[in-house]
Amino acid sequence: ELKVEQNPLFLSMQEGKNYTIYCNYSTTSDRLYWYRQDPGKSLESLFVLLSNGAVKQEGRLMASLDTKARLSTLHITAAVHDLSATYFCAVDPASTSGSRLTFGEGTQLTVNP
Amino acid sequence: DTGVSQDPRHKITKRGQNVTFRCDPISEHNRLYWYRQTLGQGPEFLTYFQNEAQLEKSRLLSDRFSAERPKGSFSTLEIQRTEQGDSAMYLCASSLAGRRANTEAFFGQGTRLTVV
Repeated sequence: ELKVEQNPLFLSMQEGKNYTIYCNYSTTSDRLYWYRQDPGKSLESLFVLLSNGAVKQEGRLMASLDTKARLSTLHITAAVHDLSATYFCAVDPASTSGSRLTFGEGTQLTVNP
Repeated sequence: DTGVSQDPRHKITKRGQNVTFRCDPISEHNRLYWYRQTLGQGPEFLTYFQNEAQLEKSRLLSDRFSAERPKGSFSTLEIQRTEQGDSAMYLCASSLAGRRANTEAFFGQGTRLTVV
């Protein structure tokens, strides 16, 4: 059974600081997604990582994928309050042919002024 | 609005009642997924359709749950004899089939079910 683990689960950081969220998964996959969720809202797609070594950046967020290590990272640069949300990574196993995703538990990020 | 649409957004029901939720996917998407999310957890896969065929069901989907996608467009998720443990956000997502770059899943706003 595929397991997806995120750490940390809770992250409180000050504005302007940098930090990295880690996502480890237990089976072969070359497709990993990062989503953002605000309280009471649905999931907003942030990044789609489709191959080993993939790196994508959008604003203050940068995501990378190392399929050999079965690890993805979401790096936050110079955090601002608007980034406060819960971030999920989700893995699409290589054994399936579509987007049947297994999600991590989420990292609840709070950015303090 | 061309995104995934879910109805209702909120539902409060008494234990033992039946409820039905609807999902309208992005029009050109042939895959439709249902997930359940409880407080503080990531979404958990329930079932998915390709066109009108239900291709996979999670063991989370007890016999009180049934999903349909009769014409390969919208889908319904019915929960019979609801229990308090069914209280959750029910999320629908849609995508194109396959493993190409454009088969990302897009999520609807969800239906929040509260069983009292």
